Amino acid sequence: SQTIHQWPATLVQPVGSPLSLECTVEGTSNPNLYWYRQAAGRGLQLLFYSVGIGQISSEVPQNLSASRPQDRQFILSSKKLLLSDSGFYLCAWSSLERSPSYEQYFGPGTRLTVT
Amino acid sequence: AQSVTQLGSHVSVSEGALVLLRCNYSSSVPPYLFWYVQYPNQGLQLLLKYTTGATLVKGINGFEAEFKKSETSFHLTKPSAHMSDAAEYFCAVTLNNNDMRFGAGTRLTVKP
Repeated sequence: SQTIHQWPATLVQPVGSPLSLECTVEGTSNPNLYWYRQAAGRGLQLLFYSVGIGQISSEVPQNLSASRPQDRQFILSSKKLLLSDSGFYLCAWSSLERSPSYEQYFGPGTRLTVT
Repeated sequence: AQSVTQLGSHVSVSEGALVLLRCNYSSSVPPYLFWYVQYPNQGLQLLLKYTTGATLVKGINGFEAEFKKSETSFHLTKPSAHMSDAAEYFCAVTLNNNDMRFGAGTRLTVKP
């Protein structure tokens, strides 16, 4: 079966500090991977998605970046955090090999608080 | 582009009462539709999905949803609410693999 991991689970960082959030998927190959942000009391905002190693598409301009160094690893980074970067970050995957109906499966999330 | 609108950001029901969460979609072609549930400080869990075929879709935890093309709706229902159903619910629509659009979410409260 497939599983998705995210770490850390919670993070408190000062403004201006760097960020690295990691997401890994097990049990599937060549998944599509996604990073979402969920601000307090709001819906999901797609930040990045990737269809393969080194292939990253950005949905919104911001001080965040994403990388996919391995097939099942997706990393969200920032060189200098802003207060507005606080939120709940969710990683998700999908795979046409598993299901042709495009549903996405989500990780447990990382709660980021920028102080 | 496709989109979904969830009517009502908060819904409150009594335990044992009918749960009805509303979702309307906009799409130029037949969409794939989903309902997800999110418990506090957790990721989203897929409740059910509509792809093609039968318009009444049954999901986990006793939930079901009906795809109504004429009304462009995909409302989520459960005959009898349980305290454990209290959570945030998201409706979503996609036409391709990389563009899933989520609604703003509906927070369900269940009163004892």
